[in-house]
Amino acid sequence: EPEVTQTPSHQVTQMGQEVILRCVPISNHLYFYWYRQILGQKVEFLVSFYNNEISEKSEIFDDQFSVERPDGSNFTLKIRSTKLEDSAMYFCASYRNEKLFFGSGTQLSVL
Amino acid sequence: GENVEQHPSTLSVQEGDSAVIKCTYSDSASNYFPWYKQELGKRPQLIIDIRSNVGEKKDQRIAVTLNKTAKHFSLHITETQPEDSAVYFCAASLSNSGYALNFGKGTSLLVTP
Repeated sequence: EPEVTQTPSHQVTQMGQEVILRCVPISNHLYFYWYRQILGQKVEFLVSFYNNEISEKSEIFDDQFSVERPDGSNFTLKIRSTKLEDSAMYFCASYRNEKLFFGSGTQLSVL
Repeated sequence: GENVEQHPSTLSVQEGDSAVIKCTYSDSASNYFPWYKQELGKRPQLIIDIRSNVGEKKDQRIAVTLNKTAKHFSLHITETQPEDSAVYFCAASLSNSGYALNFGKGTSLLVTP
């Protein structure tokens, strides 16, 4: 069965640096999402993306965050200037058949 | 803002017993309520979901019930097995946003042999 894939699986960065997390959604899915999960806490919605634009975003998704689908397949989340509190597991998800499927996640550690 | 409350935070049962996890939500416009199972270090996996036009849904040992009037929904696992041990999250759709989900804080289920 097709899966949402994410790269890298782990990313370590220095505070203040920019990071880009990548996702390859399941082909022919049209809706894409980013969620994050701080260690031991619940999954939190960041942003949804449809038809090459943001359709909804949460309060967490501030000006430091951006998303794009640069080549029609990859879906990226950029954090411009990382903070310690950005350390979390970031999950990409895509939607098909009225169900949401999560990727394997990228563990981001900001030092 | 919208909130999803989930109880209990931890649950320990003997193998073969039933487990029940309950959630409440605040947004009356929510119309989609999935449940996810997450094993340590892995992605959330959808195990069952229910929509607002249905009161109950069952899939083998797993069932979900929804009371829209009271804004609560529950997960029922019967004949639990050690491999059911995981963290379970309920979620409710954010109003008018398709599949953007608001998650509960999770229930750590431990099934002991």
